[in-house]
Amino acid sequence: GIQVEQSPPDLILQEGANSTLRCNFSDSVNNLQWFHQNPWGQLINLFYIPSGTKQNGRLSATTVATERYSLLYISSSQTTDSGVYFCAVEGSNTGNQFYFGTGTSLTVIP
Amino acid sequence: GAGVSQTPSNKVTEKGKYVELRCDPISGHTALYWYRQSLGQGPEFLIYFQGTGAADDSGLPNDRFFAVRPEGSVSTLKIQRTERGDSAVYLCASSSRTSNEQFFGPGTRLTVL
Repeated sequence: GIQVEQSPPDLILQEGANSTLRCNFSDSVNNLQWFHQNPWGQLINLFYIPSGTKQNGRLSATTVATERYSLLYISSSQTTDSGVYFCAVEGSNTGNQFYFGTGTSLTVIP
Repeated sequence: GAGVSQTPSNKVTEKGKYVELRCDPISGHTALYWYRQSLGQGPEFLIYFQGTGAADDSGLPNDRFFAVRPEGSVSTLKIQRTERGDSAVYLCASSSRTSNEQFFGPGTRLTVL
């Protein structure tokens, strides 16, 4: 399988601060997704981003597939951004399953 | 419904019992996945269906676990002779024919006493 490493494992931010979450992966991938898992356990799709850069409001993501990493940017953080952020990749040679990292746990304090 | 649904939301059972967990994918999605998430970990792949057939069941931990999707829509994950180590949140996801972007259901929290 593919190894997916996320950093930092934990992050505490003051409301309004910006942050960058990183996802490194060990092999070539066809697809990559970023999810936010809310306190109720629901995985919410943030980005489907096998390569390039996308933006959605205060969030943006960049994947550099040739260098095997992706970044998730959160600007002007809000308390509702709290939760666990997961990166998941679909390998080029490992079928259709997605491999998840262990996540970054984000806490935004008012 | 608009999203992936899973039932039950919670299931408590005793060691040795049999359980069934149900997943209703997004209407029209041909691919369906089951994952298991333990506390503090990311989801781990169990099995993938394309249509009615299991295209990849390499993630099933042992032969106590089995899943079906007889009509290419709803899927049932079946666990026989449950063990305490099976306790986890079981997640289902689906994706369309044209994209492998996965959309997840809310999960079933299984507790084996």
